[in-house]
Amino acid sequence: DAGVIQSPRHEVTEMGQEVTLRCKPISGHNSLFWYRQTMMRGLELLIYFNNNVPIDDSGMPEDRFSAKMPNASFSTLKIQPSEPRDSAVYFCASSLGGGGEQYFGPGTRLTVT
Amino acid sequence: AQSVTQPDIHITVSEGASLELRCNYSYGATPYLFWYVQSPGQGLQLLLKYLSGDTLVQGIKGFEAEFKRSQSSFNLRKPSVHWSDAAEYFCAVGPLHQTGANNLFFGTGTRLTVIP
Repeated sequence: DAGVIQSPRHEVTEMGQEVTLRCKPISGHNSLFWYRQTMMRGLELLIYFNNNVPIDDSGMPEDRFSAKMPNASFSTLKIQPSEPRDSAVYFCASSLGGGGEQYFGPGTRLTVT
Repeated sequence: AQSVTQPDIHITVSEGASLELRCNYSYGATPYLFWYVQSPGQGLQLLLKYLSGDTLVQGIKGFEAEFKRSQSSFNLRKPSVHWSDAAEYFCAVGPLHQTGANNLFFGTGTRLTVIP
């Protein structure tokens, strides 16, 4: 079982550049979550999908952030343009709805200079 | 509104000592409850969960937790801590859905330091 796969594991980019983070959930899971973790704010839920449909994006900080889930096995989180305050670890998690626990990927550490 | 409180930001224990990490929740109904552990540079790993039934649940790595409805608590315990248990621990609460997404609300975490 491969678990949740995220890429890249590390990303360093300059302010103003576009950043795309990728996630492959566990096969058969129907819910997908994007989180951001920082020392200051802890673990924040950005957006989650159920059956590929965005359910709650109230955690997305601003219009610079967007997320898509074109199919059950792939999701992206895009930041355009990126800013230094976006530097954080971004986690993707998936679950099987109905009380299923969430399985987290290893995270993408984003540094915006 | 749903919320999870982990009152201890940082706990230090000696190796071999017992451990209890506190978690209190606020929720409109009986929730699902979870404990996750995060080692440095890693993602979150599920330690244990409470969905229903026996209020004392066993998890991996020798951890257990007890759901106390009257106290709205779900404290994590381990009788003898190992140096490898040093990590960040997160309590989470989720809604009781029969179908659909299970959105979890996470506490702010408790960092555990283990001294030799």
